[in-house]
Amino acid sequence: GENVEQHPSTLSVQEGDSAVIKCTYSDSASNYFPWYKQELGKGPQLIIDIRSNVGEKKDQRIAVTLNKTAKHFSLHITETQPEDSAVYFCAPQGGKLIFGQGTELSVKP
Amino acid sequence: DTAVSQTPKYLVTQMGNDKSIKCEQNLGHDTMYWYKQDSKKFLKIMFSYNNKELIINETVPNRFSPKSPDKAHLNLHINSLELGDSAVYFCASSQELKGYTFGSGTRLTVV
Repeated sequence: GENVEQHPSTLSVQEGDSAVIKCTYSDSASNYFPWYKQELGKGPQLIIDIRSNVGEKKDQRIAVTLNKTAKHFSLHITETQPEDSAVYFCAPQGGKLIFGQGTELSVKP
Repeated sequence: DTAVSQTPKYLVTQMGNDKSIKCEQNLGHDTMYWYKQDSKKFLKIMFSYNNKELIINETVPNRFSPKSPDKAHLNLHINSLELGDSAVYFCASSQELKGYTFGSGTRLTVV
């Protein structure tokens, strides 16, 4: 069946460093690639997304890159801040609605 | 105005009881979902409704019954609650090929 894998599962960085989270998927029908941020005690919130006809998208300190041939897309956060600490999920959309396992990002001041 | 609101936020109940969680969205989205998030943070789809019609029903025990009275509401009724049902349940809504908007979750604890 369809598979979605996220790496790493935990990531700890110093404030100001960059963070990269990778999502690999198996469903070649996937054509919409969002990233969600879940803060403690809250629901996941869409932070950035990309569609299959685009290779990269940037919004201030966050960016998403897509490699459709290799079936992976990545979340890039630059100049990390303590408020970036959260769990991040990828959820490539095609047929099945599957979320990645989540990446717990910790930004140390 | 909350886009996706679910109630209650916390629910503590005894094994064997029946309980309901309500969800409402004011975004005009056609599709609504119920997700279960376990203690390891895995988000698993349970049900999906499009315009009041059930379109996804994952391998969820039939003690769980969703009901969609109209496209802005999707409620979840759970019969004969078990310890393993303890989790955070999220309601969400979306339009085709756009991101989901999630509610703030209902933390269900079965004792």
